[in-house]
Amino acid sequence: DSGVTQTPKHLITATGQRVTLRCSPRSGDLSVYWYQQSLDQGLQFLIQYYNGEERAKGNILERFSAQQFPDLHSELNLSSLELGDSALYFCASSVDAGTSSREQYFGPGTRLTVT
Amino acid sequence: GNSVTQMEGPVTLSEEAFLTINCTYTATGYPSLFWYVQYPGEGLQLLLKATKADDKGSNKGFEATYRKETTSFHLEKGSVQVSDSAVYFCALINMDSNYQLIWGAGTKLIIKP
Repeated sequence: DSGVTQTPKHLITATGQRVTLRCSPRSGDLSVYWYQQSLDQGLQFLIQYYNGEERAKGNILERFSAQQFPDLHSELNLSSLELGDSALYFCASSVDAGTSSREQYFGPGTRLTVT
Repeated sequence: GNSVTQMEGPVTLSEEAFLTINCTYTATGYPSLFWYVQYPGEGLQLLLKATKADDKGSNKGFEATYRKETTSFHLEKGSVQVSDSAVYFCALINMDSNYQLIWGAGTKLIIKP
C-alpha cells in the first residue's frame, strides 16, 4: 500500500459527460501528479500540483482540468468525454516540488470507461 | 529531448530462469533512472532506482546498473518466480524534463510455472 488513495476505482459514463476523479496523497507529501495510461498512448504525464499551485503541465487536453485543495487532496475533472478518453488514470505524490529526483508514490488508479 | 526505450514484450520465461529487460535512454546531463513495476490490477510501484553513473539499484532480487557509457539501465534477476509476472517500466527524470518522469513503453513479463 503506497498510502495514496484514489476514488472511484471504476467509472463508466457516456460520451459528452463530465466526471471528477479524486486523489489523496501520502501523508506529508505536497506534490500530486496525474497520469493517463492507455493501450495506444502508454503512460502519459498530465499535470502536477505542488502545495495548491500548478507546478508543471504535460499532455493535458483543454477539456481536462485539475486542482489541489488546501488539505492537499486533488481532483481531476474530465469534461465532454470522448471514447478515446477511456483509460486508467493514476495519481502519484511526492514529498517535494519536483525539483529533485525523489520517487513518486502511485495510487491504485481509476479505470474510466466511456461508452 | 529525453526519451526511454525498452525492449518490446511480452517476455515469457519459465520459473527460475534468468531475466534481462533492456532499457536505454537519451537525455542531456545526468538523469536519475528508475524501474517501476505494475502488477495486474494495481498501480505502479517503485522497484529500484539509481541516481548517478555506475550506481546499482537493487530490490527484491532485481538489479540494474546505471551505465552512462552505453546509456543503459537494464533490469536483471537471477531466478524469476511466477509472482514476478507484471509490467515493468523504465523511466528517467532530470532537470531538462522539468523533473517529470519520462517513461518507457513498458515490458510485460510472463513467468510460467
